[in-house]
Amino acid sequence: QTVVTQEPSLTVSPGGTVTLTCASSTGAVTSVYFPNWFQQKPGQAPRSLIYSTTNKHSWTPARFSGSLLGGKAALTLSGAQPEDEAEYYCLLYYDGAVIFGGGTKLTVL
Amino acid sequence: EVQLVQSGEEVKKPGEPLKISCKASGYSFTNYWIAWVRQMPGKGPEWMGIIFPGDSETKYSPSFQGQVTILVDKSINTAYLQWSSLRASDTAMYYCARHIGGITGTLDFWGQGALVTVSS
Repeated sequence: QTVVTQEPSLTVSPGGTVTLTCASSTGAVTSVYFPNWFQQKPGQAPRSLIYSTTNKHSWTPARFSGSLLGGKAALTLSGAQPEDEAEYYCLLYYDGAVIFGGGTKLTVL
Repeated sequence: EVQLVQSGEEVKKPGEPLKISCKASGYSFTNYWIAWVRQMPGKGPEWMGIIFPGDSETKYSPSFQGQVTILVDKSINTAYLQWSSLRASDTAMYYCARHIGGITGTLDFWGQGALVTVSS
């Protein structure tokens, strides 16, 4: 069974930079996995931030960016704001299957 | 404005059937896939499957194949998630989302979620 792994928790200072990663049990994550990143705050539906590795929506704050880093998908937050405190989930595509990661709880403190 | 409005909270007993809905507005319903996503209490989301309203083509995650049925009524811009016999382990929040770019695309707009509680 394929597993998508994220850091369980990370902390960033206000104004700081943090990188969240998304690894696949099948090996290196590449663009053909079409990595997505979602933000979810308590009591809310997930919100799409990044799709197809690097693409942003019109609503995605400029401080968020997506990339591939060391065989993983990565979400970098540059200039963290208090409102960025949330759970972040990655999603990978596998030949007809779509799998979410377990999530990273990001604390801005 | 794209909106997906889901039916309300459900409390059911094990063995009962259930069908929850997701009504779309603000875009051409038949041109975009709709996905269903489960989120169990305190856990991450799980992609259950998708349906293309234009022709009702469906794709299921292996984990959910045979456990649920995804349906659509394009005459009223509504997608459905259906169980024939609920289990306690089906207790979760269920979201519908528009899946643009096909299965390799993204889930850009989401419904508000429908909480399903299955308990005897």
